[in-house]
Amino acid sequence: GQQVMQIPQYQHVQEGEDFTTYCNSSTTLSNIQWYKQRPGGHPVFLIQLVKSGEVKKQKRLTFQFGEAKKNSSLHITATQTTDVGTYFCAGRRNFNKFYFGSGTKLNVKP
Amino acid sequence: DTEVTQTPKHLVMGMTNKKSLKCEQHMGHRAMYWYKQKAKKPPELMFVYSYEKLSINESVPSRFSPECPNSSLLNLHLHALQPEDSALYLCASSQGQGYNSPLHFGNGTRLTVT
Repeated sequence: GQQVMQIPQYQHVQEGEDFTTYCNSSTTLSNIQWYKQRPGGHPVFLIQLVKSGEVKKQKRLTFQFGEAKKNSSLHITATQTTDVGTYFCAGRRNFNKFYFGSGTKLNVKP
Repeated sequence: DTEVTQTPKHLVMGMTNKKSLKCEQHMGHRAMYWYKQKAKKPPELMFVYSYEKLSINESVPSRFSPECPNSSLLNLHLHALQPEDSALYLCASSQGQGYNSPLHFGNGTRLTVT
């Protein structure tokens, strides 16, 4: 079964505050991908991390892959209302078996 | 907008009905997936097709029957479903079987079983 956990489950922030979600796997992952799902929408691919300790940035978003390739984080600096949605990590253990994390729902108050 | 098209957007069916969900992509992707997503839950993998062959079945009940007629199309045939099967059914595709391929999702079919 799926063994990728995310915390927190929910996060409410004031616009302009920072936000971080953490993803933890019980097993080593080949890679990790991050997706964003807006309310009523479908998951949209954000980024992929492959190397141990890798850090990638996309404007206000910073993604990190742990040294042991079992955990990852997504940090958003100075949140905006457009950041609202649920953020999922997805870990791949073999071939096409992607397991989505439990997700963190972000609400941003203007 | 998405390059993976799913029809219908909404479907209501009775427990004795037979219906099909359809998915189409023209990105030349060789792997296609069905996911099921219940409210406030992550997508759960159901099936994976790679090069038009079923490569993964995540112990899905036989009332769900996938079909991949060609590299661009993926169907999910539904028969004798239960109310607890009500969910958002998402189709996705990826470039290949390699582990570096991101998933491209369709908008989903919201299924209600009465």
